[in-house]
Amino acid sequence: DTGVSQDPRHKITKRGQNVTFRCDPISEHNRLYWYRQTLGQGPEFLTYFQNEAQLEKSRLLSDRFSAERPKGSFSTLEIQRTEQGDSAMYLCASSFGTGLHQPQHFGDGTRLSIL
Amino acid sequence: DAKTTQPNSMESNEEEPVHLPCNHSTISGTDYIHWYRQLPSQGPEYVIHGLTSNVNNRMASLAIAEDRKSSTLILHRATLRDAAVYYCIPGPSNYKLTFGKGTLLTVNP
Repeated sequence: DTGVSQDPRHKITKRGQNVTFRCDPISEHNRLYWYRQTLGQGPEFLTYFQNEAQLEKSRLLSDRFSAERPKGSFSTLEIQRTEQGDSAMYLCASSFGTGLHQPQHFGDGTRLSIL
Repeated sequence: DAKTTQPNSMESNEEEPVHLPCNHSTISGTDYIHWYRQLPSQGPEYVIHGLTSNVNNRMASLAIAEDRKSSTLILHRATLRDAAVYYCIPGPSNYKLTFGKGTLLTVNP
């Protein structure tokens, strides 16, 4: 169990640029989640995959955001035309099984800074 | 989602027990109570969850009030590594966690 891996750990970009983050879940974990966390706040749910299917998206996920999980393995989160308000920590988590209460295992996040 | 109230911060001494309270008076009958914690510069970490009866695991104990309107996370012997933000999260499932601001626990040596 190598844990959830996120890449890059830090990303600095200029406003208006596109960015893409990658998440590698724990092997065999069929569920994958994306959250966003701003300073001093708890994480906010963005979206959730079961295998390759994206089952729920938060209203926070505007049309500039897109997430994919091809083949039910790693996932990518892309933000197009970044804005100052997109500066945050983007967290990925994964869990195993189909039960309602399987613990989520989080990565250490990608910190995005918009100049 | 049930509304939760947690103290902004708490302090403890190393090797002493810590009781972290959470009020969730609007919890529904089918909501579980999940606890996660977040150490500095890390992602959240699952601690424990329960429905009605008290629960124990290697990390902590969860005491749930009989009316389920409150719960208490118990760390039996705090260590410096337990310094973190602790989140109490009622919900029908563990797939869409709604984090609040949590309680910042400081552990003094």
